[in-house]
Amino acid sequence: GAGVSQSPSNKVTEKGKDVELRCDPISGHTALYWYRQSLGQGLEFLIYFQGNSAPDKSGLPSDRFSAERTGGSVSTLTIQRTQQEDSAVYLCASSLARDIRYNEQFFGPGTRLTVL
Amino acid sequence: AQSVAQPEDQVNVAEGNPLTVKCTYSVSGNPYLFWYVQYPNRGLQFLLKYITGDNLVKGSYGFEAEFNKSQTSFHLKKPSALVSDSALYFCAVRESNYQLIWGAGTKLIIKP
Repeated sequence: GAGVSQSPSNKVTEKGKDVELRCDPISGHTALYWYRQSLGQGLEFLIYFQGNSAPDKSGLPSDRFSAERTGGSVSTLTIQRTQQEDSAVYLCASSLARDIRYNEQFFGPGTRLTVL
Repeated sequence: AQSVAQPEDQVNVAEGNPLTVKCTYSVSGNPYLFWYVQYPNRGLQFLLKYITGDNLVKGSYGFEAEFNKSQTSFHLKKPSALVSDSALYFCAVRESNYQLIWGAGTKLIIKP
């Protein structure tokens, strides 16, 4: 029973470069979330996928951020033209179904992104 | 909009003593409240939740939380702290069917 996995675990990039972060959710989980965790702050919601429905992208901070989920499984978060303020830990979570009252989120270990 | 506050950035407790990590909330409608823990170099893990029913909720690793409607609080507690409880604790409140609003987190340090 593998949990949620994310890769890479660490990413150092130069300002202006594009990066891709990957998330492998737990098999069978229909809901997938991306969050951003900055030092001393709570989790910031970025995007939510549920099955084949259109994702909720309301948390993406700018049009440099995008995400896709292929085949209802693996997801990739892409940040274009990275800025120093993008430096953070990016967390992925999945849950069995939509209603968070009854379906806990399982988190991956995160990707620590550093933009120089 | 819902909100949640964790008034303490850090809590220090001696091993064996009781611990409390505070959380207050503001919601319109029924509150659905959660606690998650983040151990060093590991992902966040669900601890417990309050949906309805008993005000005292029991969760993983011997933790419990008390829902207090009049004080709009949902404090996390444990009768006897372990050094291994040292971690970052997050309180969260349901914003929508699938969204949580997260507190800033409280670092819990248990000293031997």
